[in-house]
Amino acid sequence: GNSVTQMEGPVTLSEEAFLTINCTYTATGYPSLFWYVQYPGEGLQLLLKATKADDKGSNKGFEATYRKETTSFHLEKGSVQVSDSAVYFCARGSGGSNYKLTFGKGTLLTVNP
Amino acid sequence: EPEVTQTPSHQVTQMGQEVILRCVPISNHLYFYWYRQILGQKVEFLVSFYNNEISEKSEIFDDQFSVERPDGSNFTLKIRSTKLEDSAMYFCASSKFFGPGTRLTVL
Repeated sequence: GNSVTQMEGPVTLSEEAFLTINCTYTATGYPSLFWYVQYPGEGLQLLLKATKADDKGSNKGFEATYRKETTSFHLEKGSVQVSDSAVYFCARGSGGSNYKLTFGKGTLLTVNP
Repeated sequence: EPEVTQTPSHQVTQMGQEVILRCVPISNHLYFYWYRQILGQKVEFLVSFYNNEISEKSEIFDDQFSVERPDGSNFTLKIRSTKLEDSAMYFCASSKFFGPGTRLTVL
């Protein structure tokens, strides 16, 4: 079945450091790929998405590129801020207009000043 | 910007009681979903709803669970007889947009 494997956390960085959170997915079909962010005590917010190979999703300084050859969708940010501290979830959709999502386990990011 | 809303934000119930969690999805969307997140764990798919019927459900979504869209606006998840292990955050989603969640605590 569909699955998403995400880098285990927690990840602790200093402000302005470079962030990478790895994510790989099972290659069945042509899924859409997503990153969601969950701030402490809050729900899931869509951070960015990509719908086909070589697409780059970007938002708030975060980027992720849909790599079909490596079945990856790694999240990156060049300079993290304290306010980026949250849990980040990688997810794959079933494809098309059906947004049934399979999530990774989540990665807790803590950014220290 | 339209958003998904959920009520209540927190529900405390006794084991064996019925609970109904409510969601108002985005009005022109076609697919609606319920997910749950047990504390500290990943988000798990429960059920998808399309064209006023269940289109897919997971193994978690057993006979204790049901969903309805009673009035074309609200989208509800009912748990008939809650168990301790039902304690979790329950998220409603309208296509790829999630509501803020309902924290269910079963005592």
